[in-house]
Amino acid sequence: EAQVTQNPRYLITVTGKKLTVTCSQNMNHEYMSWYRQDPGLGLRQIYYSMNVEVTDKGDVPEGYKVSRKEKRNFPLILESPSPNQTSLYFCASSLVRPTDTQYFGPGTRLTVL
Amino acid sequence: QKEVEQDPGPLSVPEGAIVSLNCTYSNSAFQYFMWYRQYSRKGPELLMYTYSSGNKEDGRFTAQVDKSSKYISLFIRDSQPSDSATYLCAIGENTDKLIFGTGTRLQVFP
Repeated sequence: EAQVTQNPRYLITVTGKKLTVTCSQNMNHEYMSWYRQDPGLGLRQIYYSMNVEVTDKGDVPEGYKVSRKEKRNFPLILESPSPNQTSLYFCASSLVRPTDTQYFGPGTRLTVL
Repeated sequence: QKEVEQDPGPLSVPEGAIVSLNCTYSNSAFQYFMWYRQYSRKGPELLMYTYSSGNKEDGRFTAQVDKSSKYISLFIRDSQPSDSATYLCAIGENTDKLIFGTGTRLQVFP
């Protein structure tokens, strides 16, 4: 089944404790992206990747890191999480570009205390 | 001014009603227009996609683009309780950037 998977689905952590949210797609897509979704603010792009070893900042990259060492994986790293990073996070992938159909993962709900 | 504006709702309608969801945008260079649907506790999924002015129909759904007014709409005919979801417009200028609206929450009651 073609899909985007994210883990964990739910995470409660404390300020400053490094964490990684994994994202994997099995569709051989080149484009991958991370979004955060907050009430009243909609989906905002954090980072994106056009291909392996190519990543770029989205609209809200502060406090996040990403890497794209393999085509299928695009982990999101929070080196020192803060309460303002409490949010619902989505990973998405598309064939080549963001204007192709984007397939979203199920989401990761993160709470930083 | 935001590049893409969408009324957040919520919108509550009876089953069978015609629903109109709308977005406005500010940049006349935008040329890719999409609607994503997001059910509760799920990721968004593409519903409709168009890159020209006019109407595109798919079953009970019609996507309308008016480039002169910088306005896009999604119409749902004969709405069903299963249409209850958040609908996000997404608009792109070129192939490198897509901007999502904040989403409109729709509830269709029996």
